[in-house]
Amino acid sequence: GQQLNQSPQSMFIQEGEDVSMNCTSSSIFNTWLWYKQDPGEGPVLLIALYKAGELTSNGRLTAQFGITRKDSFLNISASIPSDVGIYFCAGQRAAGGTSYGKLTFGQGTILTVHP
Amino acid sequence: GAVVSQHPSWVICKSGTSVKIECRSLDFQATTMFWYRQFPKQSLMLMATSNEGSKATYEQGVEKDKFLINHASLTLSTLTVTSAHPEDSSFYICSARAAGGKNIQYFGAGTRLSVL
Repeated sequence: GQQLNQSPQSMFIQEGEDVSMNCTSSSIFNTWLWYKQDPGEGPVLLIALYKAGELTSNGRLTAQFGITRKDSFLNISASIPSDVGIYFCAGQRAAGGTSYGKLTFGQGTILTVHP
Repeated sequence: GAVVSQHPSWVICKSGTSVKIECRSLDFQATTMFWYRQFPKQSLMLMATSNEGSKATYEQGVEKDKFLINHASLTLSTLTVTSAHPEDSSFYICSARAAGGKNIQYFGAGTRLSVL
C-alpha cells in the first residue's frame, strides 16, 4: 500500500544533540501523527496534529503540520539514551470514503543515541 | 487512559495449526479496530479494519479466509490465523479507535508469531 516518504531512514547521534526528521506525501492528510516504537512493542503516540500550520510540543518533542497538509516534521531536543527507537509518522484522511480512519505510515526513522 | 491490551505477546505454533490473537480496549469503547502486520525493520502494513457488529474490511492482497477477524463487542476484536505456515511468522499489531473523540488509534503491544 501507499507509504509516506520519511527521512532520514536512520540517525546516529550523541546524547544531548537535537534530532529532526520529516515526512512528505504526494497527497493531503487531515491529521498527522507521530509514533515511537521500541523493539518488540507496539507504537506509542507521541504527538497528534490536526490543523495545517499547527505546531505542537510534548516535552522535548516538537512537531509541525505543514501548511500544504502534505508534510510534517518532528524535532527532538537534547536527546537522551531512552530516545532510542523507531519513529513513525502517519497520515490520516478526513471522514468519508473508504480511507476514513486508516493510517498511512512512513517507513520509519531508526534513532540511535550514543551516551 | 486509552490502553489497548493484546494477547498473547508471543506464540509459537506448528505448521497447519490455527492461532487466535486478542485485542482489547481496556478503558474505552472502540467502534473500530485495526490489524497490522510488521516484518523486521519495516513499517506497519494494514491488514484489515474491524468494525463492531459487522464484517471486517480487508486490504488488497490479504486473504480473509486465512486471517479471520471477529469484533463481537466494543472492547474486543480477535484475529485468527488459520492453518498457519512459516511464511505467516511475523509481528501482528492491533490498534483501537475510540468512539467519538479525535479519531486517534492506540496500539497494542503486538504479538510475535513464530510458525515452525
